[in-house]
Amino acid sequence: QQQVKQSPQSLIVQKGGISIINCAYENTAFDYFPWYQQFPGKGPALLIAIRPDVSEKKEGRFTISFNKSAKQFSLHIMDSQPGDSATYFCAASDRSGSARQLTFGSGTQLTVLP
Amino acid sequence: DSGVTQTPKHLITATGQRVTLRCSPRSGDLSVYWYQQSLDQGLQFLIQYYNGEERAKGNILERFSAQQFPDLHSELNLSSLELGDSALYFCASSEGLAGVPTQYFGPGTRLTVL
Repeated sequence: QQQVKQSPQSLIVQKGGISIINCAYENTAFDYFPWYQQFPGKGPALLIAIRPDVSEKKEGRFTISFNKSAKQFSLHIMDSQPGDSATYFCAASDRSGSARQLTFGSGTQLTVLP
Repeated sequence: DSGVTQTPKHLITATGQRVTLRCSPRSGDLSVYWYQQSLDQGLQFLIQYYNGEERAKGNILERFSAQQFPDLHSELNLSSLELGDSALYFCASSEGLAGVPTQYFGPGTRLTVL
């Protein structure tokens, strides 16, 4: 059962545009929502993360918007640059018993055209 | 650089063989996670260890096993390899069970089964 649904699968934007990636979850026990950025041949790297007690978090050009009632969250990349071209994964974490796990979305391949 | 190291970077082997992947977590991190990433499956959680003990299991095959040693490094053992086991295998580490749930990923091991 896929617990975190991510869309779109791929996204192409022009340089300077806004990239928006959406995720939805079902498990209300999730309490931590990170976004990871992965370049080809590299491991995923944490980009930004949010807790469900806030509706928005901004770090530079990257913003997470969180809608707890709708069980949705999204990543906005403002002024997108060719260097932002990568695969982006949303994830959600809950404390299952004594362990913490991350459940990942299926990923979005972002291409920013120069 | 996340501080998580993985060896080897690449591994090519034949069906039916057994391989061992090694991971050293960030200094001070007690939790180690293993993930499999293939083209059509995204990032799949395999198993988690905390301070030497298994804490959570995901979609890990019975042919796969892992352990975490007293110095906190971890090894993932894959046996009776099949063509479908070809994938990127990532190790991630985090502080522990009660700390910030951020996971830091290593560069991965690319396994090719011929």
